[in-house]
Amino acid sequence: DAGVIQSPRHEVTEMGQEVTLRCKPISGHNSLFWYRQTMMRGLELLIYFNNNVPIDDSGMPEDRFSAKMPNASFSTLKIQPSEPRDSAVYFCASSFTGGHSPLHFGNGTRLTVT
Amino acid sequence: AQSVTQLGSHVSVSEGALVLLRCNYSSSVPPYLFWYVQYPNQGLQLLLKYTSAATLVKGINGFEAEFKKSETSFHLTKPSAHMSDAAEYFCAVSEVGGAQKLVFGQGTRLTINP
Repeated sequence: DAGVIQSPRHEVTEMGQEVTLRCKPISGHNSLFWYRQTMMRGLELLIYFNNNVPIDDSGMPEDRFSAKMPNASFSTLKIQPSEPRDSAVYFCASSFTGGHSPLHFGNGTRLTVT
Repeated sequence: AQSVTQLGSHVSVSEGALVLLRCNYSSSVPPYLFWYVQYPNQGLQLLLKYTSAATLVKGINGFEAEFKKSETSFHLTKPSAHMSDAAEYFCAVSEVGGAQKLVFGQGTRLTINP
């Protein structure tokens, strides 16, 4: 299995621009998670989906952030407009449904907003 | 709500020495507990998990962890450190029967001295 695939690996953009991060989960997994990692705040859960339906988006920091999962094999996280404080590594993870199921993480997208 | 505290943001040991990374959790219901490892510029990988079976859990790369309910702890150990163990380690908790939300600790960076 190819694992969770995220693109791009690196994104550098200017403040005010729209940023779209992409994720392809492991085939057969029905839960998908978006995390953000920073030195100050560690790993934060932004949103997660079960069977393509958003279940909990309480971690989404502001209305500037939105996430979609149009089908079982694709998800996007969009930031519009981007701000320097959004600079972080964004991880996508997938798993089978169930609290005991471990998460499988992608290699992340390192976002830098100047 | 669950939470995880990792004692020591940075641990340094000599090659061949015992590795001990500490994790204490807080949960109002029986927890599932996980340890993940993150190598530079990569996503997190599962080391091991506790799902209410045996209290001593063995994982990959010679690591193991013991669930101690009375101490609300889930410390990670390895008898003999190897240079390749240098990485960041995260403890995480989710709730049995609850929402599939992993809450991560702040992480412990493990350095191995030759």
